[in-house]
Amino acid sequence: QVQLVESGGGAVPPGRPLRLSCASSGFTFSNYGMHWVRQAPGKGLEWVACIWADGTNKYYIDSVKGRFTISRDNSKNTLYLQINSLFAEDTAIYYCARGTGPYASGPLGDWGQGTLVTVSS
Amino acid sequence: DIVMTQYPLSLPVNPGEPASISCRSSQSLLHSNGYNYLDWYVQKPGQSPQLLINKNSNRACGVPDRFSGSGSGTDFTLKISRVEAEDVGVYYCVQVLQTPITFGQGTRLEIK
Repeated sequence: QVQLVESGGGAVPPGRPLRLSCASSGFTFSNYGMHWVRQAPGKGLEWVACIWADGTNKYYIDSVKGRFTISRDNSKNTLYLQINSLFAEDTAIYYCARGTGPYASGPLGDWGQGTLVTVSS
Repeated sequence: DIVMTQYPLSLPVNPGEPASISCRSSQSLLHSNGYNYLDWYVQKPGQSPQLLINKNSNRACGVPDRFSGSGSGTDFTLKISRVEAEDVGVYYCVQVLQTPITFGQGTRLEIK
């Protein structure tokens, strides 16, 4: 079955970088667009970014443009989110999710368990 | 960006009773192909979100038929014909017509 396992979260001081990973299995990773969605403590869900199956196109929410970079390594079946210069408002659980088809279209049919990023001095 | 607005934000329901959640989008979600690009997700306590309904009315694999989605354009509804204890959670409507993908605020369903 489809499995998505996020890692890389933790407690990080403001301004520091962090790289999140999402290891996938149970499907042909290179055929699917992928997404990152986050959830601040006690809050709702916020879509962050997506990437096409071949990695050629990437899209971001405005609040993270220039600081977050989504990427993937199809040879390793792994999705990444590079976060530069963390802000306190980036504190959240970060979920990776599988899109539908190669263009990162919805729906987001499968989700990982999430990894918690806490930005605090 | 398309703004998604859900109501109510809190929904207490007796077991066996029906429930309804409304969702409104700031722009039409009706694509030229005839599909409304509106999904519903539920996040049960302590769990990751999971897909309930895609393209307005298509139940995801394994979702009971007491869940149904309807609407078109900018107004949508998720209905549960008979609420069960396992339905407790936060329900989100989501537009996937364009990026940025945007979520409603969430509706917390609880059992009375």
